[in-house]
Amino acid sequence: NAGVTQTPKFQVLKTGQSMTLQCAQDMNHNSMYWYRQDPGMGLRLIYYSASEGTTDKGEVPNGYNVSRLNKREFSLRLESAAPSQTSVYFCASSGDRGDYGYTFGSGTRLTVV
Amino acid sequence: GEDVEQSLFLSVREGDSSVINCTYTDSSSTYLYWYKQEPGAGLQLLTYIFSNMDMKQDQRLTVLLNKKDKHLSLRIADTQTGDSAIYFCAESINDYKLSFGAGTTVTVRA
Repeated sequence: NAGVTQTPKFQVLKTGQSMTLQCAQDMNHNSMYWYRQDPGMGLRLIYYSASEGTTDKGEVPNGYNVSRLNKREFSLRLESAAPSQTSVYFCASSGDRGDYGYTFGSGTRLTVV
Repeated sequence: GEDVEQSLFLSVREGDSSVINCTYTDSSSTYLYWYKQEPGAGLQLLTYIFSNMDMKQDQRLTVLLNKKDKHLSLRIADTQTGDSAIYFCAESINDYKLSFGAGTTVTVRA
C-alpha cells in the first residue's frame, strides 16, 4: 500500500526554469493538497482540489499552477522558478472521514539557485 | 480565524513525560489533530480528537482539549529517543481543509 507518492524527491533548478512536481494517491481519496514547508513557518497551503475536476487557491498560490489530472493525480507546476520557492513541498490527500485526517507524501526538496 | 499557535522547541529527558501545547482560533473546528514528522519524512497522523471530547488516550499518548480556552495539548508518557521529531497541531477548517501550526521540535536527551 503506497499511499501518497511524490516525485522527484530532490530537485535543483536555476532561476527562471520550469518544472512539475508529481503526486499520486492510491486510496481513492476525493481531496488532494499541495503544501510548502519552510523553517519556523509550518505548512502553508498552496492549492487544493476538493474533488476531481475542481481546484482552488490556498494561502500562497502565487508562482504556482496545479492540475487535477484524474482522481489519483494532482500535479504542481512552477512556470518560472524563483529563489523564494526554495522549500520542501508536500502533497497530501484526504477522504470523506474527518477522523482519518490527511495522508502525506514524503516530500520534494526543491532548491532554486 | 485560522491561526494555530504552538511553541517551537521542547527538550525532555528520556523517560519523562512530554507535554506539547497548542492554541487554535476556529471554535467551529470539528476535529483537532496531532501529526509527527521525523527527519526527512512527511507528516504522519499520530492521533486526533473530536471537538465534543475533552480527553482521548491512546497508549502513551493523551490528548486534552479545552474548548472554552481553545487549547489543545499532547502528552507523551515515558518519552523515548524515537519520539524526537517535530509535532504539528492542526484544526479542521471545513470538510476538507486543515490549518497547521508551525510545529514543535521535541528533543529527547539521555
